[in-house]
Amino acid sequence: AQSVAQPEDQVNVAEGNPLTVKCTYSVSGNPYLFWYVQYPNRGLQFLLKYITGDNLVKGSYGFEAEFNKSQTSFHLKKPSALVSDSALYFCAVRDLTSGTYKYIFGTGTRLKVLA
Amino acid sequence: EPEVTQTPSHQVTQMGQEVILRCVPISNHLYFYWYRQILGQKVEFLVSFYNNEISEKSEIFDDQFSVERPDGSNFTLKIRSTKLEDSAMYFCASRSSQGTQYFGPGTRLLVL
Repeated sequence: AQSVAQPEDQVNVAEGNPLTVKCTYSVSGNPYLFWYVQYPNRGLQFLLKYITGDNLVKGSYGFEAEFNKSQTSFHLKKPSALVSDSALYFCAVRDLTSGTYKYIFGTGTRLKVLA
Repeated sequence: EPEVTQTPSHQVTQMGQEVILRCVPISNHLYFYWYRQILGQKVEFLVSFYNNEISEKSEIFDDQFSVERPDGSNFTLKIRSTKLEDSAMYFCASRSSQGTQYFGPGTRLLVL
């Protein structure tokens, strides 16, 4: 079965420090991977995606993610965290068994950036 | 920048009542989706819709649920007889031709 795992429920990081939010996946084929951010009482905002090509993907708000096929990971990173980055982050994979491109989401990781 | 909109933002209803959640997808998108997020849990797929019919649905999407595109812009999710466990945040999404789904702000449904 295809799945996405976000092993950390919460990540705390000091403002100005680099941040990493982890995601691993399990798919039977080439993965299509996505990161979304959810601010309080808001919807899911698209950050970035990996479809093919360069393993380092750059997205919105200074975020990037590195696709690692051997480790089946797609960790979200940012060189210098801001307090305003505090939010809930979801990793998702496109379900390759589905003809409708539906997403399978991870459980989410709450990022807290401390001033 | 075009975005997906949803109404209402909050809905409180009594168990057994019908609710209709509304969404306006991005205008040139062709695939539409409903997901739900029970408080503190992950986002789960409910249903996808293409060419005026359901293209896929999950086991959650039972006979109490239905979707409709009554006109060229709205996309609705109806829950016929709500249950307590239907309380959740419901997200609508539409998919671009590049495969990225764009989500609305959600409707928080509370069933009492």
